[in-house]
Amino acid sequence: GAGVSQTPSNKVTEKGKYVELRCDPISGHTALYWYRQSLGQGPEFLIYFQGTGAADDSGLPNDRFFAVRPEGSVSTLKIQRTERGDSAMYLCASSATPGEKLFFGSGTQLSVL
Amino acid sequence: AQSVSQHNHHVILSEAASLELGCNYSYGGTVNLFWYVQYPGQHLQLLLKYFSGDPLVKGIKGFEAEFIKSKFSFNLRKPSVQWSDTAEYFCAVNGGGTNFGNEKLTFGTGTRLTIIP
Repeated sequence: GAGVSQTPSNKVTEKGKYVELRCDPISGHTALYWYRQSLGQGPEFLIYFQGTGAADDSGLPNDRFFAVRPEGSVSTLKIQRTERGDSAMYLCASSATPGEKLFFGSGTQLSVL
Repeated sequence: AQSVSQHNHHVILSEAASLELGCNYSYGGTVNLFWYVQYPGQHLQLLLKYFSGDPLVKGIKGFEAEFIKSKFSFNLRKPSVQWSDTAEYFCAVNGGGTNFGNEKLTFGTGTRLTIIP
């Protein structure tokens, strides 16, 4: 596609529920990143994929968070037993070369009530 | 651990004024440095980047940034701002050179720039 696509754009859920956030990167981009951005803060790194494998998941805050990229293209960020503190904008980015120019999607605004 | 500091949280300028946004980083090694911009209602996009070579980097829309290694700084500048420069600006750093495994970007908290017509 023309850019990085993230769905849904908004997600409202209740505390304790499970959510999945989807990212469709730019075609051919092997590197895919998930970031989380809270109000008034910069994006915070969560996880980075090179191809199908998670090359760096050091930013995942706890074991409620998990991400997959089974075919090396689309990625899904999964959050179990959501908490109100998980409310944030979740950003996905991809790049043709790891560590270089990142192309960001518009994000998924997650609200946990 | 790497970190990025942006001391200016909100900057308000009149059109045609000169701009300088501060960015300081902490990282023990070769670095790549970036400025990203987020215009109202749009996604983050790259403004400019420094990997190596000339420490004065020119980006899009008349922006430039200077890498000063001794000061661990990468300040963003523009000689004459326009109303359309109103946006949020983020400085970011990752490991450069052959530091494989350091591809993740660490962002600063951002500076909101408001230009008054």
